[in-house]
Amino acid sequence: KAGVTQTPRYLIKTRGQQVTLSCSPISGHRSVSWYQQTPGQGLQFLFEYFSETQRNKGNFPGRFSGRQFSNSRSEMNVSTLELGDSALYLCASSTTGVTNYGYTFGSGTRLTVV
Amino acid sequence: AQRVTQPEKLLSVFKGAPVELKCNYSYSGSPELFWYVQYSRQRLQLLLRHISRESIKGFTADLNKGETSFHLKKPFAQEEDSAMYYCAPYTGTASKLTFGTGTRLQVTL
Repeated sequence: KAGVTQTPRYLIKTRGQQVTLSCSPISGHRSVSWYQQTPGQGLQFLFEYFSETQRNKGNFPGRFSGRQFSNSRSEMNVSTLELGDSALYLCASSTTGVTNYGYTFGSGTRLTVV
Repeated sequence: AQRVTQPEKLLSVFKGAPVELKCNYSYSGSPELFWYVQYSRQRLQLLLRHISRESIKGFTADLNKGETSFHLKKPFAQEEDSAMYYCAPYTGTASKLTFGTGTRLQVTL
């Protein structure tokens, strides 16, 4: 079956702009989590959605937001982009977000803010 | 505070040598523990989960609740093991998988 699909793969944006990233989980997976990966900070948890509800949020400013649709697809949005937002954004899905099977990750969207 | 520590940023070993990637955690309750691996130019993928007590690609990981450690081990390193390894505790109540800072394993001839 198809894996976790993230679009677009690459993005270049200017400071102050906003951006929307998309994630399609594995069919049947209802939990979607988002992570920011940078060389300096590693993998930082952004938020997790399950059945269209945000269950947990990491320590990121309010400029970072997300949502999940009824088909479990998820989007994350970053407004008023800053240079420090340049990173690889990873999406991960799981059946329920709980236990045993871990998460399956997408290839990520590499965002560059100039 | 909940914390996961991978003390080594880089671990360099010779092919055929034993490997131990350290992971210590500080969590209330009993988190579930995973090891993830990221090979060059590939996506992050699950390597091991403690609950299944499995051996994947020759790697094993023992959960030591007394020491709150979940070290990843392999008796004989192979070149293809070179990758970035992340220890990741999961707390179901928080619906959150937290990653350590990662250890880069470099296996040389």
